[in-house]
Amino acid sequence: GENVGLHLPTLSVQEGDNSIINCAYSNSASDYFIWYKQESGKGPQFIIDIRSNMDKRQGQRVTVLLNKTVKHLSLQIAATQPGDSAVYFCAENTGTASKLTFGTGTRLQVTL
Amino acid sequence: KAGVTQTPRYLIKTRGQQVTLSCSPISGHRSVSWYQQTPGQGLQFLFEYFSETQRNKGNFPGRFSGRQFSNSRSEMNVSTLELGDSALYLCASSVLQGSYEQYFGPGTRLTVT
Repeated sequence: GENVGLHLPTLSVQEGDNSIINCAYSNSASDYFIWYKQESGKGPQFIIDIRSNMDKRQGQRVTVLLNKTVKHLSLQIAATQPGDSAVYFCAENTGTASKLTFGTGTRLQVTL
Repeated sequence: KAGVTQTPRYLIKTRGQQVTLSCSPISGHRSVSWYQQTPGQGLQFLFEYFSETQRNKGNFPGRFSGRQFSNSRSEMNVSTLELGDSALYLCASSVLQGSYEQYFGPGTRLTVT
């Protein structure tokens, strides 16, 4: 797959459990954050976003939490499914909206 | 609506050669951004084009260039290829310049030997 060779932290969870993926961002001036999912052989896929004036946002089975005090972002996936297996990236806007800065990524492995 | 398409999907080149990659954005999207993804550096922003003009640029040498056509399709060019240019090159499109919501293509895997 496209992520072969990436030495990423890996999170293994059992199917049906909840997953929490963490991300530390770098710029305290960032005002917009996005979580992307990248499956093997595909480009990053938008999951959920949050603006800096919020601390929580919920989507379908996913929740993003933002802690600006410690510059920390997390993605919670409820009832994790095998199809959730992928690499997850957080991204922050550090100036112009189109110029996203990505985190290093976390590989999520869902075991049956 | 068709997604972002990139051609070719895979490419092998030799050091010193140059390469051109192509990106067709989602219909109606006018902004195209390019990113480089490598195991060592992760995803890094290369540049953004809107209305046939480069609007933002990342921290890459001048060997990396791009252009956008009137139909919003974009190409990026890398001249004098180096081994370190081996990467997955991703294109993302958005409706407007500076739009937060970007949609990525599958990428072009470039291998430099």
